Amino acid sequence: NAGVTQTPKFQVLKTGQSMTLQCAQDMNHEYMSWYRQDPGMGLRLIHYSVGAGITDQGEVPNGYNVSRSTTEDFPLRLLSAAPSQTSVYFCASTASSYNEQFFGPGTRLTVL
Amino acid sequence: DQQVKQNSPSLSVQEGRISILNCDYTNSMFDYFLWYKKYPAEGPTFLISISSIKDKNEDGRFTVFLNKSAKHLSLHIVPSQPGDSAVYFCAASATDSWGKLQFGAGTQVVVTP
Repeated sequence: NAGVTQTPKFQVLKTGQSMTLQCAQDMNHEYMSWYRQDPGMGLRLIHYSVGAGITDQGEVPNGYNVSRSTTEDFPLRLLSAAPSQTSVYFCASTASSYNEQFFGPGTRLTVL
Repeated sequence: DQQVKQNSPSLSVQEGRISILNCDYTNSMFDYFLWYKKYPAEGPTFLISISSIKDKNEDGRFTVFLNKSAKHLSLHIVPSQPGDSAVYFCAASATDSWGKLQFGAGTQVVVTP
């Protein structure tokens, strides 16, 4: 099993550009989430999904869109990148509320 | 408003000694707590968890203690090893939160020989 995979590992964008961060898991987990990590802030939840076709907002959703068309994939879209979105992004999945979440290796995004 | 707080940004400990990491929370609805370990350029990896029905959970060198009345938990690592040098995150979730985790800011642990 590959676990949770994320692409790309690194990305540099200019302000106003759009892009999609990819996330996939092969563990058949229903729950998937996107977090961002900023210095001194820990990880903050952006969006999450409790199953295919079901998504909801987390703590810091502004500027990001998600969709969940399959159990395996949970892409995160930045429609118009801003410097405030410079961060490290982690995707995670879990089987249920009381199981630990498995994290991907992260995408380091810089917006100039 | 940060609901999970790790007030010590860093901790330095000698190899073989005990590392104690602390975490406080404010939301009384939290009933499941986890510790994650993170190395640079990697995603966090699960270390140990505890449910609110327990006050202690042990896994090898790692023990987590929960004091619900004080809304406080701690992670003990005994004995500390150089490979334990990493950032440790405390996280919490509530029963109706669909697995959403609230994270603390993390504590950087450095284990010196």
